[in-house]
Order: sequence, then structure tokens, then C-alpha cells
Amino acid sequence: AQSVTQLGSHVSVSEGALVLLRCNYSSSVPPYLFWYVQYPNQGLQLLLKYTTGATLVKGINGFEAEFKKSETSFHLTKPSAHMSDAAEYFCAVRNQAGTALIFGKGTTLSVSS
Amino acid sequence: DVKVTQSSRYLVKRTGEKVFLECVQDMDHENMFWYRQDPGLGLRLIYFSYDVKMKEKGDIPEGYSVSREKKERFSLILESASTNQTSMYLCASSLGGGRDNSPLHFGNGTRLTVT
Repeated sequence: AQSVTQLGSHVSVSEGALVLLRCNYSSSVPPYLFWYVQYPNQGLQLLLKYTTGATLVKGINGFEAEFKKSETSFHLTKPSAHMSDAAEYFCAVRNQAGTALIFGKGTTLSVSS
Repeated sequence: DVKVTQSSRYLVKRTGEKVFLECVQDMDHENMFWYRQDPGLGLRLIYFSYDVKMKEKGDIPEGYSVSREKKERFSLILESASTNQTSMYLCASSLGGGRDNSPLHFGNGTRLTVT
């Protein structure tokens, strides 16, 4: 069965520092992987997705993620954090039937000045 | 841009009441979803629908039902609300058409409190 594990429920960085949010997945089929961001009092917004092809995926707001099959990982990175990046981030994998997404428990990113 | 609209931002209901949460999407998407979001638990799928009048149970369907009479509208129904259904409810839609890689588009959520 498909599942997603996000390591670290809370990550704190300084403005300008590297952002690294970890996601490991389990999938019995080739995975489709997604990262979403949720700002306070809003719904989820797609950051980026991996389906097939290039394993380094670039998304919005300077974020990118690399699919590593051997490590079953899809970690999200951004070279330089901005105060506006403070939000909750969710990693997700498409379910085996291909009909819905299974989400991780989320990681809250705090950015300090 | 896809717009998914949830009719209520905040709802307060009493235990035992029948509650309707409404969701409308404007992009002719085939698939629609209801998720529940709780702190520390992430998003959990309640029900989804891949066509009008079609529905499938998700991971936590107990205590809920859904209705999809029109393609653009997907309703979540709490037959008899209980305090453990106090949560944030998120509606989403996607293109559909079988096994596709299109992303989900989310509404802004309905925060339901059951007292």
C-alpha cells in the first residue's frame, strides 16, 4: 500500500538559510509524488509534482525536489529561505488505484529574521 | 485558474444535527474529493467521486455520506454530527479520466465545530 512519511513535524530556519523538508514514500507501483503548501487559513496549493522523466523537479517560489528511487525519497529544498515561506508543507503520493492522493502528516516551516 | 469554492468558511453545529458541507468547482473536473485535516494527522480522505452519482469510500468514511447530483457540485453530509467530527474539511477536484497525474485543486476549507 502507498504511504508517505514526513520526517520532522516542525522545521525552523533563519532567513536566507537552506530549506530542507524530508519526505519518504512507500509505493507498490511507480509513484506520482506531489508537494503542497498551506498558508494560514487557506487551502492547499501545489508546489511541484513528479510523474515521470527528469528526477529533479522545479516548482513555484524557488522550491525544487529530487526523486530518488533507491532511497524512496522526494525531499523538498529551497536554497534561501524567505519570511513568506513560513507555512505548512505536505508531501503526497498517488494511491495504487490512481484515484486519490495519500498525504503525509505535514511539516510546519518557521522562518526567523 | 481552477476555482474550488466551499460555501462556508466556519460552521458551528450541535451534536446530533444533520450537517451539509457544499463544494463547487468551475473547471469541469471529473474527480472531486473530501478530505479531513487534523493537527498531527495531516489530510485523510473521507470520500471521492469520479463521476456524477458515483462515489467511493476513502480511508475514514464512517459517520459521513456524500452526494454528487451535478458534475460541479460535491456535498459532504454528516448524518448526525458528533464532537469528534470537529475538524477542518477540505474539498478538492482534479481532471480525472482514469489514472491521471493531474494535481488536486483545493478549496479554502470549512472549519466545523460541533458542540
